[in-house]
Amino acid sequence: EDQVTQSPEALRLQEGESSSLNCSYTVSGLRGLFWYRQDPGKGPEFLFTLYSAGEEKEKERLKATLTKKESFLHITAPKPEDSATYLCAVQASLNAGGTSYGKLTFGQGTILTVHP
Amino acid sequence: GAVVSQHPSRVICKSGTSVKIECRSLDFQATTMFWYRQFPKKSLMLMATSNEGSKATYEQGVEKDKFLINHASLTLSTLTVTSAHPEDSSFYICSARSGTSGLNTGELFFGEGSRLTVL
Repeated sequence: EDQVTQSPEALRLQEGESSSLNCSYTVSGLRGLFWYRQDPGKGPEFLFTLYSAGEEKEKERLKATLTKKESFLHITAPKPEDSATYLCAVQASLNAGGTSYGKLTFGQGTILTVHP
Repeated sequence: GAVVSQHPSRVICKSGTSVKIECRSLDFQATTMFWYRQFPKKSLMLMATSNEGSKATYEQGVEKDKFLINHASLTLSTLTVTSAHPEDSSFYICSARSGTSGLNTGELFFGEGSRLTVL
Protein backbone atom coordinates (compact mmCIF):
# COMPACT_ATOMS: atom_id res chain seq x y z
CA GLU A 1 0.00 0.00 0.00
CA ASP A 2 1.30 3.43 -0.96
CA GLN A 3 2.08 5.68 1.99
CA VAL A 4 2.95 9.34 2.28
CA THR A 5 4.11 10.99 5.51
CA GLN A 6 4.69 14.70 5.80
CA SER A 7 6.64 16.51 8.49
CA PRO A 8 6.38 18.62 10.43
CA GLU A 9 2.62 18.69 10.93
CA ALA A 10 2.81 22.42 11.56
CA LEU A 11 5.55 24.97 11.02
CA ARG A 12 5.66 28.57 12.21
CA LEU A 13 8.17 30.90 10.59
CA GLN A 14 9.01 34.54 10.76
CA GLU A 15 8.85 36.43 7.51
CA GLY A 16 12.15 35.91 5.71
CA GLU A 17 13.06 32.79 7.70
CA SER A 18 13.79 30.05 5.16
CA SER A 19 12.93 26.43 5.90
CA SER A 20 12.00 23.08 4.37
CA LEU A 21 9.02 20.75 4.45
CA ASN A 22 9.52 17.02 4.17
CA CYS A 23 7.51 14.37 2.35
CA SER A 24 8.55 10.75 2.86
CA TYR A 25 6.95 8.12 0.70
CA THR A 26 6.75 4.43 -0.04
CA VAL A 27 5.20 3.46 -3.31
CA SER A 28 5.25 0.44 -5.57
CA GLY A 29 6.97 2.20 -8.43
CA LEU A 30 6.79 5.99 -8.45
CA ARG A 31 5.22 7.57 -11.46
CA GLY A 32 5.10 11.07 -10.04
CA LEU A 33 5.25 13.08 -6.83
CA PHE A 34 3.08 16.16 -6.58
CA TRP A 35 3.03 19.20 -4.34
CA TYR A 36 -0.14 21.19 -3.79
CA ARG A 37 -1.02 24.25 -1.76
CA GLN A 38 -4.35 24.37 0.04
CA ASP A 39 -5.86 27.45 1.63
CA PRO A 40 -8.53 27.04 4.36
CA GLY A 41 -11.88 26.00 2.94
CA LYS A 42 -10.48 25.71 -0.59
CA GLY A 43 -9.46 22.96 -2.94
CA PRO A 44 -5.77 22.14 -3.52
CA GLU A 45 -3.81 24.27 -5.97
CA PHE A 46 -1.19 22.50 -8.06
CA LEU A 47 2.43 23.56 -7.50
CA PHE A 48 4.88 20.97 -8.87
CA THR A 49 5.27 17.52 -10.34
CA LEU A 50 8.53 15.59 -9.89
CA TYR A 51 9.16 12.36 -11.76
CA SER A 52 12.65 11.09 -10.96
CA ALA A 53 15.25 11.25 -8.22
CA GLY A 54 17.48 14.27 -8.56
CA GLU A 55 14.84 16.38 -10.23
CA GLU A 56 14.25 19.91 -8.96
CA LYS A 57 11.61 22.49 -9.79
CA GLU A 58 11.25 26.10 -8.73
CA LYS A 59 8.43 28.60 -8.59
CA GLU A 60 8.97 31.99 -6.99
CA ARG A 61 10.06 31.32 -3.38
CA LEU A 62 9.43 27.58 -3.59
CA LYS A 63 11.75 24.82 -4.73
CA ALA A 64 10.87 21.14 -4.74
CA THR A 65 13.44 18.35 -4.80
CA LEU A 66 13.10 14.58 -5.03
CA THR A 67 15.08 11.56 -3.89
CA LYS A 68 14.15 7.89 -4.02
CA LYS A 69 12.58 8.07 -0.57
CA GLU A 70 11.51 11.64 0.03
CA SER A 71 10.83 15.07 -1.34
CA PHE A 72 11.54 18.46 0.13
CA LEU A 73 9.72 21.70 -0.43
CA HIS A 74 12.15 24.51 0.29
CA ILE A 75 10.74 27.92 1.09
CA THR A 76 13.14 30.80 0.72
CA ALA A 77 12.45 34.09 2.50
CA PRO A 78 8.77 33.30 3.02
CA LYS A 79 6.09 35.96 3.19
CA PRO A 80 2.81 35.89 5.16
CA GLU A 81 0.93 35.12 1.94
CA ASP A 82 2.79 31.82 1.77
CA SER A 83 0.81 30.67 4.81
CA ALA A 84 -1.23 27.62 3.80
CA THR A 85 -1.32 23.85 4.09
CA TYR A 86 1.13 22.18 1.75
CA LEU A 87 0.14 18.73 0.53
CA CYS A 88 2.34 16.08 -0.99
CA ALA A 89 0.91 13.24 -3.09
CA VAL A 90 2.31 10.27 -5.00
CA GLN A 91 1.08 8.37 -7.99
CA ALA A 92 2.15 4.77 -8.47
CA SER A 93 3.23 3.44 -11.81
CA LEU A 94 0.55 1.81 -13.92
CA ASN A 95 2.10 -1.62 -13.55
CA ALA A 96 1.32 -1.48 -9.84
CA GLY A 97 -2.30 -2.15 -10.67
CA GLY A 98 -5.11 -0.84 -8.51
CA THR A 99 -8.61 0.21 -9.29
CA SER A 100 -8.15 3.93 -9.61
CA TYR A 101 -6.36 4.95 -12.76
CA GLY A 102 -4.28 8.00 -11.98
CA LYS A 103 -5.01 7.75 -8.26
CA LEU A 104 -3.08 10.07 -5.99
CA THR A 105 -2.23 9.14 -2.41
CA PHE A 106 -1.93 12.24 -0.25
CA GLY A 107 0.02 12.96 2.89
CA GLN A 108 -1.70 14.69 5.79
CA GLY A 109 -0.13 18.03 4.95
CA THR A 110 2.05 20.59 6.69
CA ILE A 111 0.33 23.70 8.00
CA LEU A 112 2.68 26.60 7.37
CA THR A 113 2.19 29.90 9.17
CA VAL A 114 4.43 32.83 8.30
CA HIS A 115 4.32 35.73 10.74
CA PRO A 116 5.13 39.27 9.60
CA GLY B 1 -4.92 26.82 -15.54
CA ALA B 2 -8.09 24.87 -16.13
CA VAL B 3 -11.07 25.59 -13.92
CA VAL B 4 -13.14 23.10 -11.98
CA SER B 5 -16.25 24.41 -10.30
CA GLN B 6 -18.08 22.79 -7.41
CA HIS B 7 -21.56 23.62 -6.20
CA PRO B 8 -22.73 24.19 -3.57
CA SER B 9 -19.71 25.39 -1.60
CA ARG B 10 -21.60 24.93 1.65
CA VAL B 11 -24.69 22.91 2.48
CA ILE B 12 -26.47 22.19 5.72
CA CYS B 13 -29.10 19.48 5.79
CA LYS B 14 -31.14 17.47 8.20
CA SER B 15 -30.29 13.89 9.02
CA GLY B 16 -31.98 11.47 6.63
CA THR B 17 -32.08 13.77 3.64
CA SER B 18 -30.04 13.45 0.47
CA VAL B 19 -27.62 16.04 -0.82
CA LYS B 20 -26.25 16.44 -4.34
CA ILE B 21 -22.90 18.06 -5.07
CA GLU B 22 -21.97 19.04 -8.61
CA CYS B 23 -18.51 19.17 -10.13
CA ARG B 24 -18.06 20.87 -13.48
CA SER B 25 -15.02 21.32 -15.68
CA LEU B 26 -15.54 24.77 -17.15
CA ASP B 27 -13.02 25.00 -19.96
CA PHE B 28 -11.98 21.45 -20.76
CA GLN B 29 -13.48 18.00 -21.18
CA ALA B 30 -12.89 15.78 -18.18
CA THR B 31 -12.88 12.12 -19.08
CA THR B 32 -12.07 11.21 -15.50
CA MET B 33 -13.15 12.87 -12.27
CA PHE B 34 -12.14 11.97 -8.75
CA TRP B 35 -14.08 12.53 -5.56
CA TYR B 36 -12.19 13.08 -2.32
CA ARG B 37 -13.23 13.52 1.26
CA GLN B 38 -11.21 15.54 3.74
CA PHE B 39 -11.60 15.62 7.51
CA PRO B 40 -10.29 18.59 9.52
CA LYS B 41 -6.50 18.69 9.55
CA LYS B 42 -6.41 15.38 7.70
CA SER B 43 -5.35 14.25 4.28
CA LEU B 44 -7.55 13.94 1.23
CA MET B 45 -9.00 10.46 1.01
CA LEU B 46 -10.02 9.23 -2.42
CA MET B 47 -13.59 8.00 -2.41
CA ALA B 48 -14.16 7.06 -6.02
CA THR B 49 -13.12 7.55 -9.60
CA SER B 50 -15.74 8.31 -12.19
CA ASN B 51 -15.30 7.93 -15.90
CA GLU B 52 -17.69 9.54 -18.32
CA GLY B 53 -20.36 7.13 -19.44
CA SER B 54 -19.44 4.28 -17.13
CA LYS B 55 -19.93 3.23 -13.54
CA ALA B 56 -17.77 4.80 -10.87
CA THR B 57 -14.98 2.80 -9.25
CA TYR B 58 -15.14 3.05 -5.49
CA GLU B 59 -12.26 2.76 -3.05
CA GLN B 60 -12.33 0.05 -0.45
CA GLY B 61 -14.59 0.93 2.44
CA VAL B 62 -16.67 3.49 0.56
CA GLU B 63 -20.36 2.57 0.36
CA LYS B 64 -21.60 2.68 -3.22
CA ASP B 65 -25.23 3.00 -2.19
CA LYS B 66 -24.41 5.79 0.23
CA PHE B 67 -22.35 7.90 -2.12
CA LEU B 68 -23.89 7.84 -5.57
CA ILE B 69 -21.69 9.15 -8.35
CA ASN B 70 -22.86 10.01 -11.83
CA HIS B 71 -20.64 11.22 -14.66
CA ALA B 72 -23.17 11.75 -17.39
CA SER B 73 -21.17 14.15 -19.54
CA LEU B 74 -17.58 15.17 -20.17
CA THR B 75 -18.04 18.30 -18.07
CA LEU B 76 -20.22 17.20 -15.18
CA SER B 77 -19.99 14.69 -12.36
CA THR B 78 -22.31 14.58 -9.38
CA LEU B 79 -21.93 13.09 -5.91
CA THR B 80 -25.14 12.38 -4.03
CA VAL B 81 -24.91 11.64 -0.33
CA THR B 82 -28.02 9.59 0.35
CA SER B 83 -29.78 9.49 3.70
CA ALA B 84 -27.12 11.70 5.19
CA HIS B 85 -26.13 11.36 8.83
CA PRO B 86 -23.96 13.58 11.04
CA GLU B 87 -20.94 11.34 10.46
CA ASP B 88 -21.15 12.21 6.76
CA SER B 89 -20.32 15.81 7.62
CA SER B 90 -17.07 16.59 5.86
CA PHE B 91 -15.33 18.57 3.14
CA TYR B 92 -15.87 16.95 -0.25
CA ILE B 93 -13.54 17.87 -3.09
CA CYS B 94 -13.67 16.84 -6.71
CA SER B 95 -10.86 16.86 -9.20
CA ALA B 96 -10.80 16.43 -12.92
CA ARG B 97 -8.28 15.36 -15.48
CA SER B 98 -8.35 16.62 -19.00
CA GLY B 99 -8.86 14.02 -21.66
CA THR B 100 -5.74 15.34 -23.36
CA SER B 101 -3.44 15.20 -20.35
CA GLY B 102 -2.85 11.50 -20.60
CA LEU B 103 -1.31 9.97 -17.56
CA ASN B 104 0.08 13.16 -16.12
CA THR B 105 -2.07 13.84 -13.11
CA GLY B 106 -0.01 16.91 -12.40
CA GLU B 107 -2.68 18.28 -14.68
CA LEU B 108 -5.28 17.24 -12.14
CA PHE B 109 -7.40 20.27 -11.34
CA PHE B 110 -9.33 20.54 -8.10
CA GLY B 111 -12.63 22.16 -7.33
CA GLU B 112 -13.08 24.57 -4.46
CA GLY B 113 -14.68 21.92 -2.29
CA SER B 114 -18.11 21.55 -0.70
CA ARG B 115 -18.60 21.71 3.06
CA LEU B 116 -21.42 19.39 4.12
CA THR B 117 -22.90 19.69 7.58
CA VAL B 118 -25.55 17.20 8.59
CA LEU B 119 -27.59 18.15 11.63
